[in-house]
Amino acid sequence: KQEVTQIPAALSVPEGENLVLNCSFTDSAIYNLQWFRQDPGKGLTSLLLIQSSQREQTSGRLNASLDKSSGRSTLYIAASQPGDSATYLCAVEYGGSQGNLIFGKGTKLSVKP
Amino acid sequence: DGGITQSPKYLFRKEGQNVTLSCEQNLNHDAMYWYRQDPGQGLRLIYYSQIVNDFQKGDIAEGYSVSREKKESFPLTVTSAQKNPTAFYLCASSPDRRSQYFGPGTRLTVL
Repeated sequence: KQEVTQIPAALSVPEGENLVLNCSFTDSAIYNLQWFRQDPGKGLTSLLLIQSSQREQTSGRLNASLDKSSGRSTLYIAASQPGDSATYLCAVEYGGSQGNLIFGKGTKLSVKP
Repeated sequence: DGGITQSPKYLFRKEGQNVTLSCEQNLNHDAMYWYRQDPGQGLRLIYYSQIVNDFQKGDIAEGYSVSREKKESFPLTVTSAQKNPTAFYLCASSPDRRSQYFGPGTRLTVL
């Protein structure tokens, strides 16, 4: 069974720290991997999408890396801000899945001022 | 202003009732998806549709039904056969297999 695991489940850091969120997946034959942000009671916002042929993607203070051979992805957030507080979800799409995503349970991030 | 809308934002259902959740998009996307989210859990796929008049079951389709009569609309009906329907429901659409765009969600509570 294909599974996506995110560690840690929750993380609290002081403002200004750099931090890393982890995502692992059981089957390395992925089509792409996507990181989402979810604010409480809201829908999901796509942050970064990495195709299987790519190693990393960057957007502003966010950098996502992908290592298919080890079944891992990391989301690096530089110079964290209180506005970054949210739940971050990792989702994997496998080839032949017709676009269906398998989600991890998320990491709840709290950035303290 | 393009986007995905879901209504209502909050929905209350008595046991034994069917309820329908609305999802509309004006992004001209072919594919649409319904997910269920429970506290502390990732999203689980209920149903998806790649094209009008066609849809497939996801991982947890039992107790749910959908229709796709128009490209813009993908309503989800939660039937009385769904034994534990209290959850947060999210609709998404996609123009291709590279990204999904999510609506704001509907929170369903069974009284």
